[in-house]
Amino acid sequence: EVQLVESGGGLVQPGGSLRLSCAASGFTFSSYWMSWVRQAPGKGLEWVANIKQDGSDKYYVDSVKGRFTISRDNAKNSLYLQMNSLRAEDTAVYYCAREDSLTANWGADNWGQGTLVTVSS
Amino acid sequence: DIQMTQSPSTLSASVGDRVTITCRASQSISSWLAWYQQKPGKAPKLLIYKASNLESGVPSRFSGSGSGTEFTLTISSLQPDDFATYYCQQYNNYFFTFGPGTKVDIK
Repeated sequence: EVQLVESGGGLVQPGGSLRLSCAASGFTFSSYWMSWVRQAPGKGLEWVANIKQDGSDKYYVDSVKGRFTISRDNAKNSLYLQMNSLRAEDTAVYYCAREDSLTANWGADNWGQGTLVTVSS
Repeated sequence: DIQMTQSPSTLSASVGDRVTITCRASQSISSWLAWYQQKPGKAPKLLIYKASNLESGVPSRFSGSGSGTEFTLTISSLQPDDFATYYCQQYNNYFFTFGPGTKVDIK
């Protein structure tokens, strides 16, 4: 069974940093693109970043470029999101998602339960 | 960047109704579109990939169509479990933009 479990969320002051982790199991992690998607309270989904299977390609939404870094450790079956210079507008539930890149169908076919990040003083 | 829009933003319907949601892309994305269903407090669930392909395990009352810049998600006969918010997402480039969502609620 595919499982994605996020951790690392919490309360942080504006300008602070946080590192989210996503532990993957039940599939060959190194074979898939992975994404981070967030959802601010009461708002819609926003794609944040994604990363290629070997970590060689990474893409970010404009609003987090230069502040967030996506990375992965295939040996540990883990995905990360380092978030620096956090702002109030980064407050959201952050989901990690597996992209169905193996079949080239695309679409995020498995999601974690999400971890809440609150940026507030 | 590719922008996605959805209409309507809210849709009130009854059980048994046929429901159609439209998603538009600011430029052609071929068939690189997915649809998701999300219920309050839950992670999204993939319904449709590559515009018209039903994800495994998704009821056949859901269908998708379209290509280029205009896409539709249709629920042929709305069931109580279908009241939720629906999002489209484009996969034409590696910036996987979501649409703003369509909430389907009870009439």
